[in-house]
Amino acid sequence: EAGVAQSPRYKIIEKRQSVAFWCNPISGHATLYWYQQILGQGPKLLIQFQNNGVVDDSQLPKDRFSAERLKGVDSTLKIQPAKLEDSAVYLCASSPLRGRSTDTQYFGPGTRLTVL
Amino acid sequence: GDSVTQMEGPVTLSEEAFLTINCTYTATGYPSLFWYVQYPGEGLQLLLKATKADDKGSNKGFEATYRKETTSFHLEKGSVQVSDSAVYFCALSPLGGATNKLIFGTGTLLAVQP
Repeated sequence: EAGVAQSPRYKIIEKRQSVAFWCNPISGHATLYWYQQILGQGPKLLIQFQNNGVVDDSQLPKDRFSAERLKGVDSTLKIQPAKLEDSAVYLCASSPLRGRSTDTQYFGPGTRLTVL
Repeated sequence: GDSVTQMEGPVTLSEEAFLTINCTYTATGYPSLFWYVQYPGEGLQLLLKATKADDKGSNKGFEATYRKETTSFHLEKGSVQVSDSAVYFCALSPLGGATNKLIFGTGTLLAVQP
């Protein structure tokens, strides 16, 4: 079974530029998550999708971050414009079921973003 | 709000030593508890989990027991190997509510020397 795919793996941009990340979850997984992991910290949820609907985006900085999951499969996360503090690893995860607390989340390799 | 506190690293051990990484949590009700591991250059992967009080999760020689009386989920292994060198994250997923997001601790770096 193929795992969660993410691209690109690395991205370097200057502040105020835009950037987009792509995620393809494990086939058949209904729930998709985007986490932000700042160096030295644990991952923090940005947004959670159930199929193509948003379940939780309470910690997404909506003035600059946006995400979509068209057709309930793959997803893109965009930052526009980027700030220095957005430098982090962006992790995508998926889980097969309806978003229960007991579900295992499967993580992709992440995209490391550096904002100069 | 819900949170996870785990011991700071790095933890440096010799091969075959006993490992304990402490993890305590604050949450409403009884969340599910997880240990994830991140090997160098790789993504996060589930190591073990426990979904109710007194459950013991185990995998690859690692164990952790869900203790609601002490709100703890400490990770243990009897004999570590060099290949266990990684960053270990304790996490919880709240019970109920609209989201099952994972709330992570800050991670503990384990370095095992031959």
